[in-house]
Amino acid sequence: NAGVMQNPRHLVRRRGQEARLRCSPMKGHSHVYWYRQLPEEGLKFMVYLQKENIIDESGMPKERFSAEFPKEGPSILRIQQVVRGDSAAYFCASSLQNGNTEAFFGQGTRLTVV
Amino acid sequence: AQRVTQPEKLLSVFKGAPVELKCNYSYSGSPELFWYVQYSRQRLQLLLRHISRESIKGFTADLNKGETSFHLKKPFAQEEDSAMYYCALSGRSGGGADGLTFGKGTHLIIQP
Repeated sequence: NAGVMQNPRHLVRRRGQEARLRCSPMKGHSHVYWYRQLPEEGLKFMVYLQKENIIDESGMPKERFSAEFPKEGPSILRIQQVVRGDSAAYFCASSLQNGNTEAFFGQGTRLTVV
Repeated sequence: AQRVTQPEKLLSVFKGAPVELKCNYSYSGSPELFWYVQYSRQRLQLLLRHISRESIKGFTADLNKGETSFHLKKPFAQEEDSAMYYCALSGRSGGGADGLTFGKGTHLIIQP
């Protein structure tokens, strides 16, 4: 089991472009979580998804950000019209089920907006 | 609102010395507390959770509700303990990974 796979590891985008971050959960895991880490800050929860459903998006910015976890394929975090303030490390985690089970983290995608 | 504070950005101790990484939290209900560790060039991984009451790699952490603290301790530091340590809190029932609030992290360096 390769663990949670995120790609790309590094992504550079110009202001106004779109960024797509992908997360493949561990085999058998149907719960996915996205976190963002701004420079010098702790990880901040963004969104929790199960297959084809958004369960909790209380940490997602209201505009430009969206997330999906389709029936087939990886979970995608999409940022439209990126701005410099979106530069951060984005981490994905997955778990077998929610509640009282360990979540496993990916290595993150470092987004730089120039 | 829930908040986790790790007052030390960097902690350097000598091998064999005791280690204490501080974590204080703010939460109105009954939280679940965790310590995560990230070794150099590796993924963030769960070290321990307070409900398990385990000792992992010699580390322990006790939840002190009176002082709202969850300090991580190890009596004798080893060089392989050098890493970033994050304290995290969940206010959700069962302590799932949704809605975890992380501290800013403490970089622990063990000197030989």
